[in-house]
Amino acid sequence: DIQLTQSPSSLSAFVGDTVTITCQASQAVTHYLNWYQQKPGEAPKLLIYDVSNLDTGVPARFAGSGSGTDFSLTITGLQPEDFATYYCQHCDNLPRFTFGPGTKVDIK
Amino acid sequence: QVQLVQSGNEMQKPGASVKVSCQASGYTFDTLGIAWVRQAPGQGLEWVGWIAGNTGNAHYSLKFEGRVTMTRDLSTSTAYLELRGLKSDDTAFYYCARENIPRSLDSWGQGTLVTVSS
Repeated sequence: DIQLTQSPSSLSAFVGDTVTITCQASQAVTHYLNWYQQKPGEAPKLLIYDVSNLDTGVPARFAGSGSGTDFSLTITGLQPEDFATYYCQHCDNLPRFTFGPGTKVDIK
Repeated sequence: QVQLVQSGNEMQKPGASVKVSCQASGYTFDTLGIAWVRQAPGQGLEWVGWIAGNTGNAHYSLKFEGRVTMTRDLSTSTAYLELRGLKSDDTAFYYCARENIPRSLDSWGQGTLVTVSS
């Protein structure tokens, strides 16, 4: 099974900052690497699918990139509504889903 | 618009079973799968299993194999998660989510809190 790790586990940033969260897979994945945002008391929300594609309605300040075992989510110009926990997720062909442990982004 | 509406919160005793429902609307239910994901209080997301909308074939996380059954009812566009032999560490929010192409979960239910306590 593929395992996902994320770093950092948490970070503090100012509104307007650019932040990058990384997700590392235990073996190379070719696609199906997705990113979710979750705010307290809410269900997760899909941000990016298949490495770099923004889901409908997701602001362009979110960007996903990567290949092989190393992937990243970058938020350019943090907004107050972006303070949340972010999860990467992979799915194999079974399908079997795996989530990363999450990265909490809070206000400095 | 796509909506997934889950059944209400549950409180169960250790060893009991729970069945959570997830009624879908706004799309053709049998064209896409439904995944179940749980989240213990203050913890991360954990995949429980997935059921195909068309065939009803299900795949479960090895962690829950033998204790979990996922089914769906095409007539009501509803997916079900049954978890048996409940333990205190099964206490969590259980979410259903629509699996869309490619292999992403693009719509989520509101979550059902299952509390296991004697």
